[in-house]
Amino acid sequence: GESVGLHLPTLSVQEGDNSIINCAYSNSASDYFIWYKQESGKGPQFIIDIRSNMDKRQGQRVTVLLNKTVKHLSLQIAATQPGDSAVYFCAENIYSSASKIIFGSGTRLSIRP
Amino acid sequence: ETGVTQTPRHLVMGMTNKKSLKCEQHLGHNAMYWYKQSAKKPLELMFVYNFKEQTENNSVPSRFSPECPNSSHLFLHLHTLQPEDSALYLCASSQVQGSTGELFFGEGSRLTVL
Repeated sequence: GESVGLHLPTLSVQEGDNSIINCAYSNSASDYFIWYKQESGKGPQFIIDIRSNMDKRQGQRVTVLLNKTVKHLSLQIAATQPGDSAVYFCAENIYSSASKIIFGSGTRLSIRP
Repeated sequence: ETGVTQTPRHLVMGMTNKKSLKCEQHLGHNAMYWYKQSAKKPLELMFVYNFKEQTENNSVPSRFSPECPNSSHLFLHLHTLQPEDSALYLCASSQVQGSTGELFFGEGSRLTVL
């Protein structure tokens, strides 16, 4: 089916710690996954993506891990900063008659000083 | 500034009103999207246009009518809406549909239906 879900609606971490946001997806045919960040009052912003032929991809302070066996995706943020406070969405690219990006329900990340 | 501009940012309308949301992108993209974002729900894809042609209508009620006169502009015409249609409506664009997951979003139009 076409559903992307998140394990937890909220996550609170200490400033400076690493954050891990998890996501489960159900469509085995999805070949492309994306993480977005949405700050208050703004639209979602692309963070990082990964194709299904990879299991790990790194960006600046962020790493995405893909486990196709259990249909699980995670976003790791190193040395979490106050500016990382936002809602994080995982999304998958589903191709039926045409390609479309389907979003999960989001995890709100809050940072404790 | 993402290069995608949405107007108005806020809109309050009655159920019998007719209004339109506008989206404009200055990125040279050829695909444009409307998403609906309600509280505590995932972003819902509504419509996709690729090179001005509608390629996706995600079972959206006919009281929402999209229009894409060119690759840079996208409208969402609203007519006889219901209170449950109150939400943040997000416009996005990408190079072409399916080429990448990097959608560029506007800041949204917050709609309240009374």
